[in-house]
Amino acid sequence: QQQVKQSPQSLIVQKGGISIINCAYENTAFDYFPWYQQFPGKGPALLIAIRPDVSEKKEGRFTISFNKSAKQFSLHIMDSQPGDSATYFCAASQEYGGSQGNLIFGKGTKLSVKP
Amino acid sequence: DVKVTQSSRYLVKRTGEKVFLECVQDMDHENMFWYRQDPGLGLRLIYFSYDVKMKEKGDIPEGYSVSREKKERFSLILESASTNQTSMYLCASSLNVNSVEYLSGNTIYFGEGSWLTVV
Repeated sequence: QQQVKQSPQSLIVQKGGISIINCAYENTAFDYFPWYQQFPGKGPALLIAIRPDVSEKKEGRFTISFNKSAKQFSLHIMDSQPGDSATYFCAASQEYGGSQGNLIFGKGTKLSVKP
Repeated sequence: DVKVTQSSRYLVKRTGEKVFLECVQDMDHENMFWYRQDPGLGLRLIYFSYDVKMKEKGDIPEGYSVSREKKERFSLILESASTNQTSMYLCASSLNVNSVEYLSGNTIYFGEGSWLTVV
């Protein structure tokens, strides 16, 4: 019940295309859903996050779509660029009433954007 | 900017050696974490700490221990390194969920990682 399942494991997209990464969770107590971006040789860094009171959040070319009833959320990267090539991790946590809000991470998606 | 510094980026150790991985954060965060990252397995939590001198086991604590003597410093210890502990280790820190400043979500800040090879 604590798992976060992420797909696909790897993704190749042409420059200018849309990259879509999906995550599913089981624990309905989760109330915070961030996405982290990791470049080779670096630690992951927060990219964008959403709470379940909204169905979508957009920051520039990055959008999170959230479906509470399906217990799914996804990251959309519009107009994908070679500089977006990285590994992306979704995560979930229960901030209130849970174990200090520890994040549960998906297994990651390696995105390659071809020029 | 938050900075989480892992002092050793690349280490090669022999089987059976005792290994220390050090981590320091400069944002006065209460929470600190050690993760292990392996291809196809994502980020797995080894240990975490909510305060000085306290520690909690994560998902894969076997073969590891930790020490938090000061708020800003969290050390991961491999008592007797084994080849299956060859991996990339990530330290992270975050605010406590009860902090006044905790408004925008449980952002975890990661260090750049320590690549450990055990031969």
